[in-house]
Amino acid sequence: QLQLRESGPGLVQPSETLSLTCTVSGDSLITPSYYWAWIRQTPGEGLQWIGHIFYTGSATYNPSLRSRVTMSVDTSKNQFSLRLTSVAAADTAVYYCARDSRKVSITFDPWGQGTLVTVSS
Amino acid sequence: DIQLTQSPSSLSASIGDRVTMSCRSSQSSSTFLNWYQQKPGTAPHLLVFAAVSLESGVPSRFSGSGSGTDFNLTISSLQPEDFATYYCQQSYSPPYTFGRGTRLEI
Repeated sequence: QLQLRESGPGLVQPSETLSLTCTVSGDSLITPSYYWAWIRQTPGEGLQWIGHIFYTGSATYNPSLRSRVTMSVDTSKNQFSLRLTSVAAADTAVYYCARDSRKVSITFDPWGQGTLVTVSS
Repeated sequence: DIQLTQSPSSLSASIGDRVTMSCRSSQSSSTFLNWYQQKPGTAPHLLVFAAVSLESGVPSRFSGSGSGTDFNLTISSLQPEDFATYYCQQSYSPPYTFGRGTRLEI
């Protein structure tokens, strides 16, 4: 059974860099069938797709965040990661990683449990 | 970006009721529209994909309909475990966007 789990600091200083890792278990990242996505959720903005990455390292980002986002994969550890630079209070959110499936329509399933990241000094 | 507008934002119903909630797209999403259920403190869970296809393991009381700009999610007979927030999501064009949700309450 595929499971995803986010990890990383729960508190980040303003203007610093947010770094999160998603560990995948129960299946390999190295598959042509799926991408791997990051999504965040805030009470104010709701759910926002941050971007996705293929196991080769090819990534697509949300244009609203593109200048600050970098995603990467580590196939040896079956992990993929998110870096968001120059964070501000508006980046405070629950961050989820998810498998991006292409079953006719691009869907996100399953999701990790989510991790709350607070941007504050 | 494609904007998704969900209505109503909240909905009160009772066990056994039939409920329908709406998702309207700012431009055609064809049938590239998915529905998720989220309960407090947990991640969203996929219910319906490609507008009308039920995800494996999802009870048959859930159904999706629509195409283009207007989509619906219907629950035919509400069960206690169905009280949650429901989100639509389009995958017609990136960035993939979500609606703001319909909260289903007792």
